[in-house]
Amino acid sequence: AQSVTQLDSHVSVSEGTPVLLRCNYSSSYSPSLFWYVQHPNKGLQLLLKYTSAATLVKGINGFEAEFKKSETSFHLTKPSAHMSDAAEYFCVVTRSNTGNQFYFGTGTSLTVIP
Amino acid sequence: GAVVSQHPSRVICKSGTSVKIECRSLDFQATTMFWYRQFPKQSLMLMATSNEGSKATYEQGVEKDKFLINHASLTLSTLTVTSAHPEDSSFYICSARSWGFSGANVLTFGAGSRLTVL
Repeated sequence: AQSVTQLDSHVSVSEGTPVLLRCNYSSSYSPSLFWYVQHPNKGLQLLLKYTSAATLVKGINGFEAEFKKSETSFHLTKPSAHMSDAAEYFCVVTRSNTGNQFYFGTGTSLTVIP
Repeated sequence: GAVVSQHPSRVICKSGTSVKIECRSLDFQATTMFWYRQFPKQSLMLMATSNEGSKATYEQGVEKDKFLINHASLTLSTLTVTSAHPEDSSFYICSARSWGFSGANVLTFGAGSRLTVL
């Protein structure tokens, strides 16, 4: 069985300060993990993915995430928030390489204060 | 990279009519596509898994006669909302499973379709 828990439904940061969006997962198999971003009335865009290679994954727009198996976590970070980062973020897990089911977290809404 | 086109982006229809939403994989073949429904400020709810050349697999509680899914080719899946009612108004999103450069199993999403039923 697999599941994802996004620990914060809403995060608010000031522009230029670090961003931390938390995700914990549960998986009976070797997982693949993803972070997607959704701007209002848009589809989801892939930010980054972990697929059993390097545990520190770099994505687009300065985001990165670290896979920590011991903590079953895959937190998303960015050193300096930009106004354009304000959006909804989803953490997703699937079974590595063979999974046909993708499990979504409930989402974290990021607000960036000017 | 993989691109999924979803059309229309917005549609308004009268109650009782049917609406078709198309989802196309533009530069890759997608044997599996997924359809989601998203309510305001909520996560995506998986409606069904669409498999090319076979019947869709619907999630529990989703009416397959109301939400008809067809996946007749490796690049096109369609969702038809039949006899639409105001409660069907929602944001519908499709995604296709593709394989990235690393061989990883990745979901690529369409831009979504906002359905409003009057």
